Amino acid sequence: KQEVTQIPAALSVPEGENLVLNCSFTDSAIYNLQWFRQDPGKGLTSLLLIQSSQREQTSGRLNASLDKSSGRSTLYIAASQPGDSATYLCAVRKGGSEKLVFGKGTKLTVNP
Amino acid sequence: NAGVTQTPKFQVLKTGQSMTLQCAQDMNHNSMYWYRQDPGMGLRLIYYSASEGTTDKGEVPDGYNVSRLKKQNFLLGLESAAPSQTSVYFCASSPGPSTTQYFGPGTRLTVL
Repeated sequence: KQEVTQIPAALSVPEGENLVLNCSFTDSAIYNLQWFRQDPGKGLTSLLLIQSSQREQTSGRLNASLDKSSGRSTLYIAASQPGDSATYLCAVRKGGSEKLVFGKGTKLTVNP
Repeated sequence: NAGVTQTPKFQVLKTGQSMTLQCAQDMNHNSMYWYRQDPGMGLRLIYYSASEGTTDKGEVPDGYNVSRLKKQNFLLGLESAAPSQTSVYFCASSPGPSTTQYFGPGTRLTVL
């Protein structure tokens, strides 16, 4: 059974800092991995989708990497801003399955 | 372009009552999903639909039913609500299998 773990559960940093969020998964036979952002009381917003054949994806100040063989992904946020404060979730999908398995998220607070 | 919308936003039910959560998308997506989000459990897939008229069970389907009579709508029914179904329910859609999922704002359901 696929399990997705995100460490740390919460992170507080000063504005301007570069930071890394971690995601690990137990079954390396994934089709793709997605990073989402969730603001309090809101739905999820997709940030980046990495296919299993890819090593990384970039969007603005965000960079996500994938090491499928070791079961790890990282989300790098450059020059963090207070507006980046949210919970970040990663989710993996197995090939041939519609099911996304989510981690429990990392709650990020960026302090002005 | 409204994206994915959900009604109602909040609902309180008594044990044994029934209700239907509604989800609509205006992006002409083929696939639609229902998730529940519980503290400490993360998001879990209840049901999904790969196309109009088809539905499949996810991870936690017991106590729920769904219908996808129109491509743009996906309904989640609770026939006899139980306190264990207190949760936040999210609907999502995607262009097709294994692509980025777009989430609605959620329905917060409390069963007393």
